[in-house]
Amino acid sequence: EAGVAQSPRYKIIEKRQSVAFWCNPISGHATLYWYQQILGQGPKLLIQFQNNGVVDDSQLPKDRFSAERLKGVDSTLKIQPAKLEDSAVYLCASSKGLAGGLNEQFFGPGTRLTVL
Amino acid sequence: KNQVEQSPQSLIILEGKNCTLQCNYTVSPFSNLRWYKQDTGRGPVSLTIMTFSENTKSNGRYTATLDADTKQSSLHITASQLSDSASYICVVSAQAGTALIFGKGTTLSVSS
Repeated sequence: EAGVAQSPRYKIIEKRQSVAFWCNPISGHATLYWYQQILGQGPKLLIQFQNNGVVDDSQLPKDRFSAERLKGVDSTLKIQPAKLEDSAVYLCASSKGLAGGLNEQFFGPGTRLTVL
Repeated sequence: KNQVEQSPQSLIILEGKNCTLQCNYTVSPFSNLRWYKQDTGRGPVSLTIMTFSENTKSNGRYTATLDADTKQSSLHITASQLSDSASYICVVSAQAGTALIFGKGTTLSVSS
């Protein structure tokens, strides 16, 4: 089966600019996650969707970050305006159900964002 | 505070040797523990998932152990290969249905 798709793979922007990332989860996976992974650290959950509803966005910096999954399939994550500390890899993942159970979580290749 | 600590931070071993990576957690109530392998420039890939009642789980040359009493887990890699060079991340779920808590990972380098 096809894996989690993400685009773009790399993005370089200047601070205060806007950027958007796209994710297409594995077909049939109800749960979709966006993670931020700063170099040398483990992924940090930004937002979790169950179908098109938000399950957890407690660590999403809502003053600058937004995400949507309008039709319960693919999703976009936006940063506006970007700051230097937003430089990281943004990982999208999906699972059949909530990953806190035994549902395996599948990750995409990530988008590496560099903010200059 | 729910935390996952991994050690060592990095490790270099010779091809063919065995190694063990450690994971300590303070997550409660515990649901399950996972080990992921993350190659450079790729997303993490699941190696094992263990629940409270499981002590050991293997996936090829990877063997994970879990001691829920001491809240410790280890990942043992047997007969290492160059392709094992990656970051290994320990992840704990506090309870079914909630977010996963990630450790910072151990970077393993296997040299010939």
